[in-house]
Amino acid sequence: DAGVIQSPRHEVTEMGQEVTLRCKPISGHDYLFWYRQTMMRGLELLIYFNNNVPIDDSGMPEDRFSAKMPNASFSTLKIQPSEPRDSAVYFCASSLVGPLGGNTIYFGEGSWLTVV
Amino acid sequence: GNSVTQMEGPVTLSEEAFLTINCTYTATGYPSLFWYVQYPGEGLQLLLKATKADDKGSNKGFEATYRKETTSFHLEKGSVQVSDSAVYFCALSNFGNEKLTFGTGTRLTIIP
Repeated sequence: DAGVIQSPRHEVTEMGQEVTLRCKPISGHDYLFWYRQTMMRGLELLIYFNNNVPIDDSGMPEDRFSAKMPNASFSTLKIQPSEPRDSAVYFCASSLVGPLGGNTIYFGEGSWLTVV
Repeated sequence: GNSVTQMEGPVTLSEEAFLTINCTYTATGYPSLFWYVQYPGEGLQLLLKATKADDKGSNKGFEATYRKETTSFHLEKGSVQVSDSAVYFCALSNFGNEKLTFGTGTRLTIIP
């Protein structure tokens, strides 16, 4: 079974440009999570969805960030306009149910974003 | 709220040494506890987990025991290998909150 698939794996963009990161969760998983990883802040949860509905977006840093999940097999994280401080690794993850009771979250390999 | 405190890294050990990475947590009730591992250039993978007090999670020679009395979930391995070099994250989930709360991660390097 394919894991969580993210694209692009690497992106270098100029400040002010729009960035769109894409994620295909594992088929049948009801939960989808977007995380950001930086040296300074570690791993931060940005937003998560349950059955395509955003449940908690309190981790989204500011209005420049938006996330959508139009169907069960696809999600996007968009940054517009991008800034150098957005440079990070963005992980998408999915799980069959939530992590309560020890349910496993499966991570993609990440999208490595550099904003210059 | 929920929080996880991990041993600061980086940690460097020789091959076949004994490993302990400390993890303590703050949470109400009975959270589930996890260790995830991140190999260079990859995403996080579940290493082991425990869902109730005194449970021991184990995988690939790693072990961790859920100690409610000390609110700890320390990761141990008796004899580390070079291939264990990675970043290790302790995490918890709790009722009333679907999110995983992660520690800051501990970078482990094993030298031959």
